[in-house]
Amino acid sequence: NAGVTQTPKFRVLKTGQSMTLLCAQDMNHEYMYWYRQDPGMGLRLIHYSVGEGTTAKGEVPDGYNVSRLKKQNFLLGLESAAPSQTSVYFCASRRVFDYNEQFFGPGTRLTVL
Amino acid sequence: AQSVTQLDSQVPVFEEAPVELRCNYSSSVSVYLFWYVQYPNQGLQLLLKYLSGSTLVKGINGFEAEFNKSQTSFHLRKPSVHISDTAEYFCAVSASGHTNAGKSTFGDGTTLTVKP
Repeated sequence: NAGVTQTPKFRVLKTGQSMTLLCAQDMNHEYMYWYRQDPGMGLRLIHYSVGEGTTAKGEVPDGYNVSRLKKQNFLLGLESAAPSQTSVYFCASRRVFDYNEQFFGPGTRLTVL
Repeated sequence: AQSVTQLDSQVPVFEEAPVELRCNYSSSVSVYLFWYVQYPNQGLQLLLKYLSGSTLVKGINGFEAEFNKSQTSFHLRKPSVHISDTAEYFCAVSASGHTNAGKSTFGDGTTLTVKP
C-alpha cells in the first residue's frame, strides 16, 4: 500500500496563476480532507469530503475549490493564486468507522510569488 | 465546536531527559484525543489516541499521554528522549462517535528539540 500520496511535492506559482493539487489514497477510505499548514498556526481545514461526489467547506475555504469524482482521489484547485496561499498543503483520509484517526500524505509545498 | 491549546510552542531538552508536552482542549461534547508527530519535511503520523477507558494511553516510540477530564488536558510524556525525537508534535481533538464527518481540530504545534 502506498497510503496517501500527493502530487506535486513542490510548486512555485505567480500571482493569478491556477493549479490543481492531487491527493490519492489506496486504502478505500470514505473521508478525505485538505489542510494547509502555516508556521505557528497548526493545520487548518480547507475542504473535506465524506464520499465520492460530495464535498464541504472547512475552516478556510476561500480561494480554493475541490472535487471528488472518484473515491480514491481528492483534488484541490487554486483558481487565481495569491501570495497568501503560500503554504504547505496536506491531504488526509480515514475510514468512516475508524475512530477519527487520519492518515496523512507527505505534503505539497506551494510558493506564490 | 472544539478547540485545542498547546501551551508550549517550543520545548528544548537534553538527550535522555524526560519531557512533557502540554495540551488543553475544550468541547461541549465527548471527544477523542490524539497526538501526532511530524518529522521534518514529512506528513503527520499518529503517536497515540484516547478513545475511552483507561486514562493513560501508550503510543509508539515510548510516548504516553494521560487524559484528565476534570482539567480537560491530554499531556504527552516520555521518560527519556532521544535525538531522533526532534520533531513537531500536534495535539488534536474530534467529537466522539460518527458525527461531524470525523473532523479534527489541531493545536498550533509544539516543536521538540532534543540536544546532545
